[in-house]
Amino acid sequence: GEEVAQTPKHLVRGEGQKAKLYCAPIKGHSYVFWYQQVLKNEFKFLISFQNENVFDETGMPKERFSAKCLPNSPCSLEIQATKLEDSAVYFCASSRRETQYFGPGTRLLVL
Amino acid sequence: AQSVTQLDSQVPVFEEAPVELRCNYSSSVSVYLFWYVQYPNQGLQLLLKYLSGSTLVESINGFEAEFNKSQTSFHLRKPSVHISDTAEYFCAVSVRRGGGYNKLIFGAGTRLAVHP
Repeated sequence: GEEVAQTPKHLVRGEGQKAKLYCAPIKGHSYVFWYQQVLKNEFKFLISFQNENVFDETGMPKERFSAKCLPNSPCSLEIQATKLEDSAVYFCASSRRETQYFGPGTRLLVL
Repeated sequence: AQSVTQLDSQVPVFEEAPVELRCNYSSSVSVYLFWYVQYPNQGLQLLLKYLSGSTLVESINGFEAEFNKSQTSFHLRKPSVHISDTAEYFCAVSVRRGGGYNKLIFGAGTRLAVHP
């Protein structure tokens, strides 16, 4: 597609439940990035992929967060055992080269 | 490590007035520079970017930014703003490094509020 697609738009989870977010990059883009935007507008980088390979995972809280980009499937970001502080908007971006294009985000609310 | 500083958290301005949103960055290596705009409850839209070449870059809706290497700045300007420019503006950098394309490092954002 011509735009980055993210599903769902909204997700509500009880503390301790699992959350799974999906991202379909723009066709032909080999890089996928995940960012977390918290209440004060701060963007935190989580992880990036080059095709199905992890490119940079320096931002991932590895104990509860995991991500995948498999061929012919949307990329996914999974949070096991969500915590209140995971409440945020999660953005996916894709790129062919240096310029990243963002999806509309998934708003996660952990109660 | 790289960092981005947006010096103003909020900039109020009257319609048709000029505006400048300031962005400074810190990096020991070369970077690409970007401005993104975020309207309420929406994702980030690319406004303009500096990759190489001319240091003055322009967007289709009248914004411009100038890369100043000596001052490590990439300030965003518009000579005459509209109500519809009200939004949050984010400056971001990514490191130029061989072997792939890197994450964006964002500033804290500047809220531009245009008043009639």
